[in-house]
This record gives sequence, structure tokens and C-alpha cells, in this order.
Amino acid sequence: AQTVTQSQPEMSVQEAETVTLSCTYDTSENNYYLFWYKQPPSRQMILVIRQEAYKQQNATENRFSVNFQKAAKSFSLKISDSQLGDTAMYFCALENDKVIFGPGTSLSVIP
Amino acid sequence: DTGVSQDPRHKITKRGQNVTFRCDPISEHNRLYWYRQTLGQGPEFLTYFQNEAQLEKSRLLSDRFSAERPKGSFSTLEIQRTEQGDSAMYLCASSFSGLAPYNEQFFGPGTRLTVL
Repeated sequence: AQTVTQSQPEMSVQEAETVTLSCTYDTSENNYYLFWYKQPPSRQMILVIRQEAYKQQNATENRFSVNFQKAAKSFSLKISDSQLGDTAMYFCALENDKVIFGPGTSLSVIP
Repeated sequence: DTGVSQDPRHKITKRGQNVTFRCDPISEHNRLYWYRQTLGQGPEFLTYFQNEAQLEKSRLLSDRFSAERPKGSFSTLEIQRTEQGDSAMYLCASSFSGLAPYNEQFFGPGTRLTVL
């Protein structure tokens, strides 16, 4: 069975600071994809960043970057220069045909 | 770009009643997913379609749940004899399974169901 774990239910960060959200997963597949999705309060879920498991290079998307450790099955998200609009639930997700989501981390950016 | 739309956005029903939700995916997307999300949790996979074929159903999808995508476009999710435990946000997502090896899903706003 595939599982995704996010061990930090809630986190907070000062505006303009950097924060890292943790995610670990388990799968017996060798080819899969990993995603971070953002769900702002009362708004739709949107994709933040994705990582192909066969790529060693960590994905980056503007202020968002990941630290992908395939052997450790770890996939953390780093948000640099945090902005108030980053306040949201963040879900780590594993895809191998269907997508399995983690329980989420609620991030609050404090002015 | 209309994105993924869901109707209704909110539904309040009494226990034992049947409810039906509709999802309209992004027009060129061939895959359509249904998820259930309870407060403070991540979305739980329910089922997905590729075109009109229902390819997988979660064990979460009891006999009271049925989903259809008759023409490979919009989809409906019906819950019969609703129970209070069915109260949740029901999310729909669509994607295009084609050139890209991954499946970036685009989510709708969800239908929030409250069973009294």
C-alpha cells in the first residue's frame, strides 16, 4: 500500500522568512511522481510544485523548492521569502496512476 | 478558461435522502477524479474515470455511492440513503493523461455536503 505522511499538522513562519514542510512516503514502485498542493482557506486546491522520481535534481518554482531524498523516501518543501498569501493547507501527494494525499500541514504566515 | 466546476457548492440533506453532485472537467481533459475531504484531512481518493470508463474504485466507495461519466465529459456522483458520516467536502479533479508522463490534476471548488 502507498502512504504519505506529513508529521507537522501546523506550522507558522514570520513574513519574509523561510520555512520547510516535511513529507515522507512509502511505495514499492520505482517510477512515480510527487507533488505539493496548496489549499488556501475556502479556495480551490492548486499545484505548487512537482518532482519526477527518476530525476535527481530537485525541482524549484520561484520561491518554492523541494528536497527530494529518494532513498529516504522524503520530499520536503521549502518556501523562501514567505508571503501572507502563502497561508494555506499544504498537501504532499504521491502519484502512481492514482494520487494519494498526505493529511496536510496548516501553514500560517505571520505579519 | 472555465476550469473545473462543481454543482451544487453546498448541499444540506436529511439522513436517508439521496443526493447527486455534478462535476464539469476542463474540456480537453480525459481523466476525472472524485475525492472526499473531511475537515483537517487530505483528500481521500474515491474513484476515477478515463473518458467514460471507470478504472478504479476505492474501498471507501460503498454500495451507496455510484459515479458515472456517460459521455466522457461531465460526471455525477450519487449517494443513496445518506448517513451523517457522509458529511464532507466532495472534490472533483481532472487531468489530461497523454503527452506528459505525470498527471497534474486541476481541482474544482468542491461540494460541501451536510447530512442532518
